[in-house]
Amino acid sequence: DSGVTQTPKHLITATGQRVTLRCSPRSGDLSVYWYQQSLDQGLQFLIQYYNGEERAKGNILERFSAQQFPDLHSELNLSSLELGDSALYFCASSVSGTSNQPQHFGDGTRLSIL
Amino acid sequence: QKEVEQDPGPLSVPEGAIVSLNCTYSNSAFQYFMWYRQYSRKGPELLMYTYSSGNKEDGRFTAQVDKSSKYISLFIRDSQPSDSATYLCAIKEYAGGTSYGKLTFGQGTILTVHP
Repeated sequence: DSGVTQTPKHLITATGQRVTLRCSPRSGDLSVYWYQQSLDQGLQFLIQYYNGEERAKGNILERFSAQQFPDLHSELNLSSLELGDSALYFCASSVSGTSNQPQHFGDGTRLSIL
Repeated sequence: QKEVEQDPGPLSVPEGAIVSLNCTYSNSAFQYFMWYRQYSRKGPELLMYTYSSGNKEDGRFTAQVDKSSKYISLFIRDSQPSDSATYLCAIKEYAGGTSYGKLTFGQGTILTVHP
C-alpha cells in the first residue's frame, strides 16, 4: 500500500459529461501529480501541484483542470468527455516538488466513456 | 522519436532466470532514474531509484545507469512467478528545469515468469 488514495476506483459515464477524480496524498507529502495511462500512449504526465499551487504542466487538455486544496488533497476535473478520454488516471505524491524526490502512486481511477 | 524507449516485450522466462530490462533515453537533462513495477489493476510501485551512473543493488534487483550511453537497465536475479508484472522505467530532469516534477515513462515491458 503506497499510502496514496484515489476515488472512485471505476467511473462509467457518457460522452459530453463531466467527472471529478479525487486523490489524497501520503501523509506528509506536499506535492501531487496526475498521470493518464492508455494503451497507445502509455503513462503521460498531466499536471503537478505543490502545496496548493500549480508547479508543472504536461500535455493536459484544456477540457481538463485540477486543483489542490488546503488539506492537500487534489481533484482532477474532466469535462466534455470524449471516447478517447477512456483511460486509467493515476495520482502520485512526493514529499516536496523537487526532482530528487521519488513519486509514489495510487491505484488509479479507471474511466470508461460509453 | 520518443524521449524514452523501452522494448514492450512480452518477455517470458522460467523461474530462477536472470531477467534484463532496458531503456534508452535521448534527453541529456534527464538526471534521475527509476524503475516501477505495475501489477494488473494496480498503480506503479517504486522498485529502484538512482541518480548517478553505476550500479545500485537492492535484494534481487540491480539498477544500472550509463549516462554516457543514455542507457539504463534493471536486472532481476532468481526471478519468481510473483515477479510477473509490467516493468516501467521512468526518468526525471534535473531540478533546474521547468518540468522538474514530470516523470517521463517508457512504454513498459510485460514480464511473465513461469514455474
